[in-house]
Amino acid sequence: DIRMTQSPSSVSASVGDRVTITCRASQGIASWLAWYQQKPGKVPYLLIHAASSLQSGVPSRFSGSGSGTDFTLTISSLQPEDSATYYCQQVNSFPPIFGGGTKVEIK
Amino acid sequence: EVQLVESGGGLVKPGGSLRLSCAASGFTFSSYSMNWVRQAPGKGLEWVSSISSSSSYMYYADSVKGRFTISRDNAKNSLYLQMNSLRADDTAVYYCAKTVGPQLIDAFDLWGQGTMVTVSS
Repeated sequence: DIRMTQSPSSVSASVGDRVTITCRASQGIASWLAWYQQKPGKVPYLLIHAASSLQSGVPSRFSGSGSGTDFTLTISSLQPEDSATYYCQQVNSFPPIFGGGTKVEIK
Repeated sequence: EVQLVESGGGLVKPGGSLRLSCAASGFTFSSYSMNWVRQAPGKGLEWVSSISSSSSYMYYADSVKGRFTISRDNAKNSLYLQMNSLRADDTAVYYCAKTVGPQLIDAFDLWGQGTMVTVSS
C-alpha cells in the first residue's frame, strides 16, 4: 500500500499569512492526489483534485502543486474561515489512503 | 438538490451486525463509483470500501475485509454497507462519498452528512 505522510501535523498562523502543507507519498502517484478541508463537526470538503485542479467554488487563495511523490497545498492569504483540518489523499491506486491531517489554527 | 443521505447507524454490541444505507439524489448515480469512508472520534479519515458504477469491482480496506460488504442498487439510487462481526474499533462516523468522475478511483467530491456507528457492550 502507498503511505501518505503529511507535515506539519499542526500549524498556527495569523490572518493574511501564507500557509504551506506538504504531503509525501511512499511511491510515485503522478498527479493522483486530492486535498480536503474538514471543519470541526462538519463533513470533509474537496478542495483540489489531480494535485492542482481547484474544485468549483473553492477560493483562489487555495492552490495545489506537485507530482510524483511530493505535493503541497498552499493558502496564499490565510482567512479566519480557513481554520480546519486538511487531508491529502492518494487516488492513484487502491487503497486510496488519506494522510494523517494538518490542523490549521488562527493566531 | 445534489446530495447523499446516510442512514442505519446506531449502537450495536461487539460481534453484531448493522447495515448502512446511502440515498443519492440530484445526479446520475449509476454513472459513478461510490465509496465509504469512516472517521473514529477525534481521529482522521479512513477509507473503508469502494464499488464501481456497475458493481463489477469492489475494494475493501484490510481492516474490514471479510467482515464488511459493499453493494449498490442503481435502480434505487442507493449504496449500502453490510457490517458484520463488528468490533469496538469500528466505532466511527461513516460517510458515503461519490467519486468525482467516471473513473473507478478518483477524488471524492460529494459527501453525505455521516451516520454514527457505536460498537459497545
